[in-house]
Amino acid sequence: QQPVQSPQAVILREGEDAVINCSSSKALYSVHWYRQKHGEAPVFLMILLKGGEQKGHEKISASFNEKKQQSSLYLTASQLSYSGTYFCGTGNTGNQFYFGTGTSLTVIP
Amino acid sequence: DGGITQSPKYLFRKEGQNVTLSCEQNLNHDAMYWYRQDPGQGLRLIYYSQIVNDFQKGDIAEGYSVSREKKESFPLTVTSAQKNPTAFYLCASSIQANYGYTFGSGTRLTVV
Repeated sequence: QQPVQSPQAVILREGEDAVINCSSSKALYSVHWYRQKHGEAPVFLMILLKGGEQKGHEKISASFNEKKQQSSLYLTASQLSYSGTYFCGTGNTGNQFYFGTGTSLTVIP
Repeated sequence: DGGITQSPKYLFRKEGQNVTLSCEQNLNHDAMYWYRQDPGQGLRLIYYSQIVNDFQKGDIAEGYSVSREKKESFPLTVTSAQKNPTAFYLCASSIQANYGYTFGSGTRLTVV
């Protein structure tokens, strides 16, 4: 029931783009995205609800494909501040909510 | 400013002791949660509460207990029955279940 994230880790140079995927085996109602810096608490980025919407937050955006039971997080023109571990959280139609195992993103100069 | 306060930031426990982690929020959120995070792993749900005086077990509730006597407060007790309690504990709240979570800064518990 825990969503699967890919890739597990990625290293980028400043200015490059990245995509993080989150897939579930269950029908989804909502997808959350969070970023956690080392030793700190996760910070909420955005929530996508059933309906196939796409959202944006500065240069970070996400899509939600409920038919495929997956979401993707897009980071464009990455900055050093984007480094951290990204977690998706999925709410399914059984009212259960699970976090993925995380994707470590490192942006280097 | 509204937010969630967890205390203490670091906690050391002797084997066989119970310890209580504090979580207080002033966001007027109905739902509160406790998660455990181990190195390199995701967040696993210990307990959650959607309303005062009611709470539900999560996936790894054994060895833990909670109370929700006030809307603002959701303390977690790590009992001596929890065999491997060393971890980073995160408290979170949301307006209602499955909405965006606001996390506290966490408590790092170490058994000595």
